[in-house]
Amino acid sequence: AQSVAQPEDQVNVAEGNPLTVKCTYSVSGNPYLFWYVQYPNRGLQFLLKYITGDNLVKGSYGFEAEFNKSQTSFHLKKPSALVSDSALYFCAVRVMNRDDKIIFGKGTRLHILP
Amino acid sequence: GAVVSQHPSRVICKSGTSVKIECRSLDFQATTMFWYRQFPKQSLMLMATSNEGSKATYEQGVEKDKFLINHASLTLSTLTVTSAHPEDSSFYICSARETLPGTQYFGPGTRLTVL
Repeated sequence: AQSVAQPEDQVNVAEGNPLTVKCTYSVSGNPYLFWYVQYPNRGLQFLLKYITGDNLVKGSYGFEAEFNKSQTSFHLKKPSALVSDSALYFCAVRVMNRDDKIIFGKGTRLHILP
Repeated sequence: GAVVSQHPSRVICKSGTSVKIECRSLDFQATTMFWYRQFPKQSLMLMATSNEGSKATYEQGVEKDKFLINHASLTLSTLTVTSAHPEDSSFYICSARETLPGTQYFGPGTRLTVL
């Protein structure tokens, strides 16, 4: 079955430290992978995507993600966290089958501590 | 990046009334739009997939007669919650998908409160 897993409900990081939000996936075929961020009472904002090419993808607000095919992972990273990065982060994969829809992980709440 | 607007951002209605929510892709054409529902502190639940010019495809457990979806053009989809009840109170988010690679862009959401 196609799925996306975000193993951490919450991640706490001190401001200025590097952050990682984990995501693993299970799909058949080549995955289209995405990261989105959601601020309170707002819709989702697109951060970055991996389709093909370089395994390290750079996105908005200084975020990047590394596609690891052998580990079926797509972890979100940032070298130096800001308090304003505190939000809910969703990993997603596009399922290219008959249904053709995006599957979201359950979300990880990121707290950046000042 | 691509922008998706949603209107209204917040609506309060009485039980038994109907509410229409609009979703527009502002700078791209979207043959496919999606409607999600999000409960507090939970992920998005896909309600239906809307294809321009054809009937929406509803996810299992979503009542198509209660949640009417119309995708009238390549830039507009509407969700009408009919005969709303308090349990329909939720955060509704629409999304529009560009052509390949199929990045979905999300609207800001509509907070529906049914009294």
